[in-house]
Amino acid sequence: QKEVEQNSGPLSVPEGAIASLNCTYSDRGSQSFFWYRQYSGKSPELIMFIYSNGDKEDGRFTAQLNKASQYVSLLIRDSQPSDSATYLCAAQDSNYQLIWGAGTKLIIKP
Amino acid sequence: DAGITQSPRHKVTETGTPVTLRCHQTENHRYMYWYRQDPGHGLRLIHYSYGVKDTDKGEVSDGYSVSRSKTEDFLLTLESATSSQTSVYFCAISDGGGYTFGSGTRLTVV
Repeated sequence: QKEVEQNSGPLSVPEGAIASLNCTYSDRGSQSFFWYRQYSGKSPELIMFIYSNGDKEDGRFTAQLNKASQYVSLLIRDSQPSDSATYLCAAQDSNYQLIWGAGTKLIIKP
Repeated sequence: DAGITQSPRHKVTETGTPVTLRCHQTENHRYMYWYRQDPGHGLRLIHYSYGVKDTDKGEVSDGYSVSRSKTEDFLLTLESATSSQTSVYFCAISDGGGYTFGSGTRLTVV
């Protein structure tokens, strides 16, 4: 059974601090990993993807991948109240399907 | 805009009636997916398609059928709606990478 695990939260972070979201996956054959943000009542939207070990930065967002540990993370620097949302982690399997975590609810407190 | 639309956006239907939800894309993507999202369950795959007339079941396919007669359209049918099918339904498209989601259909079965 292919699984992606996330802490459901909520994770509460003060405004301006770094928010750290984590995810583990079970399928060692997964090569690409995706982070989606979902606001309440809205559809998921892609924030970042990563397929190489190490860090990938895009503005305030940094995705980190460690294939040996089967671990993916998303860091949000200078967190803003508008970052409050549920963050979904997904691993792509060999059939190009995404295996989804249940999501972590992030709350940024002003 | 991502070029994916779902219709209707909201629907209330009675138990035992058939219901069809439509997903339309203008991106010419090969893969299309139907998910349902319920509190505490995250995204659950109902059916997916990897080409015209090529479809397969997901993890929660019982009570649902799909059709894809054209690249751009993917229909989800509830043959005889039940209250357990009250949910938010998302369609997603992919060209083999990350998914792009439609805005969702909120279905209530009374």
